[in-house]
Amino acid sequence: IVTTQSPATLSVSPGERATLSCRASQSVYTKLAWYQQKPGQAPRLLIYDASTRATGIPARFSGSGSGTEFTLNISSLQSEDFGVYYCQQYNNWPPVTFGQGTKLEIK
Amino acid sequence: EVQLLESGGGLVQPGGSMRLSCVVSGFNFNSYAMNWVRQAPGKGLEWVSAVSSGGGGTYYADSVRGRFTISRDNSNNTLYLQMNSLRVEDTAVYYCAKRMGPFIFDSWGQGTLVTVSS
Repeated sequence: IVTTQSPATLSVSPGERATLSCRASQSVYTKLAWYQQKPGQAPRLLIYDASTRATGIPARFSGSGSGTEFTLNISSLQSEDFGVYYCQQYNNWPPVTFGQGTKLEIK
Repeated sequence: EVQLLESGGGLVQPGGSMRLSCVVSGFNFNSYAMNWVRQAPGKGLEWVSAVSSGGGGTYYADSVRGRFTISRDNSNNTLYLQMNSLRVEDTAVYYCAKRMGPFIFDSWGQGTLVTVSS
């Protein structure tokens, strides 16, 4: 299964809303996760099962979608939210597959 | 606190071998499947391999099958990745990752860099 993220780069001002998209080449039902990665750091799990926030993740992060179309929303961007975001499907494994990433940068 | 600490990376020539280790603490290691995920410089994430909690089930990406071997020592809370016949394209930061449920990676190590170059 190929997962494709868009856009490749997203420029948003602090306090604004960011919307990131992920598309799977075939249905993964809700078996999709989102990760955040900052430079020089390991990825961090944000969302799993398409819409469940991981432990300790702020409520401004929300995930939605099912089948082949998924969205990660960040309601009011904070400075610490900038980085690269990856989606990952785990319906068909192995292998699990990651999207190519969306870089969220300060506008 | 969950901690995963990788080691064993470095510079190796094409065709060479290397063994990575990941020592974990803060959770019951023998109850969780574990994985290796890698990231080539400036690139995205690529799942490499997985091992079941007891070690009896192993899975590999096509790109490494037959060259890499994943294993674990539950008595010492350690995950391993034996890498043979290394190629330039294996150059990456290798992360060990704890699996929560079906291939959801909820905890990651800081990574160890493997550079394959002559």
